[in-house]
This record gives sequence, structure tokens and C-alpha cells, in this order.
Amino acid sequence: EIVLTQSPGTLSLSPGERASLSCRASQSVTTHVAWYQQRPGQAPRLLIYGASNRATGIPDRFRGSGSGTDFTLTISRLESEDFAMYYCQQFGTSPWTFGRGTKVEIK
Amino acid sequence: QVQLRESGPGLVKPSETLSLTCTVSGVSITTDLYYWGWIRQPPGKGLEWVGSITFSGKTFYNPSLKSRVTISADTSKNQFSLNLTSVTAADTSLFFCARHSRLTGTALDNWGQGTLVTVSS
Repeated sequence: EIVLTQSPGTLSLSPGERASLSCRASQSVTTHVAWYQQRPGQAPRLLIYGASNRATGIPDRFRGSGSGTDFTLTISRLESEDFAMYYCQQFGTSPWTFGRGTKVEIK
Repeated sequence: QVQLRESGPGLVKPSETLSLTCTVSGVSITTDLYYWGWIRQPPGKGLEWVGSITFSGKTFYNPSLKSRVTISADTSKNQFSLNLTSVTAADTSLFFCARHSRLTGTALDNWGQGTLVTVSS
């Protein structure tokens, strides 16, 4: 199965700062990658699909990029509601696997 | 508005079968734009895709669980269900049902709130 490695495990930043989250696949998944945000006690929410397409209602401060094996989620200016867990998922090859997540916490 | 809601026992004994149902409202599960899936999350841990069912009833499962998992659909009730047999404490998880959309490259664009299932005697 394809392993997704997310880094860093934890990102400590202040509101207004820029966050850059990495997701690396063990083999190419072309652009079949999605990013989800999960706040405590809530279900995950789709942010990005197809590596770079924002889902409905997602603010433009969220940007996805990458292809092949290397992907990045960038949050241009962190707002208070953005401090949460973020997971990437690949749909290139079944089983559809998730990364272990990156926690974005308030510094 | 599309809504998904999981239901089922919150406590299952070891070696027994875990059974959950997802009731979908706002869209028919037979719509060919969508698949329907189950994802689990052990307490304090990450997400694991369990399996999915297509609008035509084709199923596909995570190989790590394949011998124990069955997903089925009841189109008359607009529901789909998960059965996981021979459970152990390691299966204790928050289980989510979710919608895959062909409009989002099969990404999961709608999720239920999740239901916690504890495996314990």
C-alpha cells in the first residue's frame, strides 16, 4: 500500500503566520491527493481535492500544491479557527490511505 | 442539504460482530456521482479507510480488514451499513460514514459526525 508521510508532526505558529504542511507519498499518486482539517470533537472536513482544488466554501487562504509524490498544504495567514489537525489522503491506488496528520497549534 | 448519520451499538463484546448503519438524507445513495464509505479513528489516533460501496453496489475494502468487513446498502431506506466480525479491543474506534464524490476526484466531501464503538467485555 502507499504510505503517506506527513511533516512536521506538530507546527507551532502564531495567528497571522504562514503554515506549510508536507505530505510525501511512497510512490506516485499523480494528483490524487486530498487534504482534510479536523478540529477536536468534529468530523474531518474536506479542504483540497485533486492536490490543488479548493472544496466548496473553503477560504482562499488555503492552497494545495504538488504532484507525483510531494504535496504541500499552505495556509497563508493563520486564523484562530485554523488551529487543528490536518490529514492528507491519496486516491491514486487502493487502499486509499491517510497520512498520520500534522497538528497546527498556537505558539 | 446532504446529511449522514451513523447509528449502532456503542459497546460490542470481543469476538462479536460490530454493526453500524449510515442513514443518508438529501441525496439518493444510487446517484451515480457518489460512492459511500466508512472510515475509522482509534481514540487519539489518525484516520483509516475501512471500505466503500458504489452507487451500483460494488464494494471495495481495505485489505488489512478485508476478511472481516462487509459493506452493504439498503436503497429503499437510503442507508448503507458496515459489519466487522471477530472484533478485538484494537477495533475500538470512532467510526465515520462519508460520501465520496466523483466531482472531487473521489475525495470525501461529506461526513457524518461519527459514532464511538468500544470493544470490551
